[in-house]
Amino acid sequence: DQQVKQNSPSLSVQEGRISILNCDYTNSMFDYFLWYKKYPAEGPTFLISISSIKDKNEDGRFTVFLNKSAKHLSLHIVPSQPGDSAVYFCAASPQGAQKLVFGQGTRLTINP
Amino acid sequence: EAQVTQNPRYLITVTGKKLTVTCSQNMNHEYMSWYRQDPGLGLRQIYYSMNVEVTDKGDVPEGYKVSRKEKRNFPLILESPSPNQTSLYFCASRPGLAGANVLTFGAGSRLTVL
Repeated sequence: DQQVKQNSPSLSVQEGRISILNCDYTNSMFDYFLWYKKYPAEGPTFLISISSIKDKNEDGRFTVFLNKSAKHLSLHIVPSQPGDSAVYFCAASPQGAQKLVFGQGTRLTINP
Repeated sequence: EAQVTQNPRYLITVTGKKLTVTCSQNMNHEYMSWYRQDPGLGLRQIYYSMNVEVTDKGDVPEGYKVSRKEKRNFPLILESPSPNQTSLYFCASRPGLAGANVLTFGAGSRLTVL
């Protein structure tokens, strides 16, 4: 039972354009959402997060949007840079639980 | 440098031969956790620890053991490894504050069980 789903295994975007990564969830008890970025042979690193009481959070080139009614989360990267090429994981935290539930990941490739 | 260190990074073993993957963090974090990453499944939690001598099961604990005798160390023990435990394993830690779910991950340990 995949509670957090990233339906696009891969995404290819031209350098300088916007990258949009999507994530859907099923558990309405999730109250905190995060995006992690992972390079090959390294562990995931935290990128940006959003609380369920907000619908948008920005940090430089990265913006996360939360649509609670649709149970949908998206990460926008603008402008996209070659160093953004990585696997991106969406994660959610159930209220009161001591874990993160991860999506399957989306491999983003930024083309020069 | 603040980090989570896992060893070994790569290991090939055979069915039934006990092994331990070590994890150590230098950030004085109360909370530590183990995840495994498999294709198409993302990362799934195996075990976690809220503090010394306090451990609990995650979503996929079968075939694994953990211990937390010291705050900095959280080893993952496979008593009798089987091929379905072939996976990429990550240790992670964070401060013990409730709601602070930003984990710091180690670089990963790729385990192959033949």
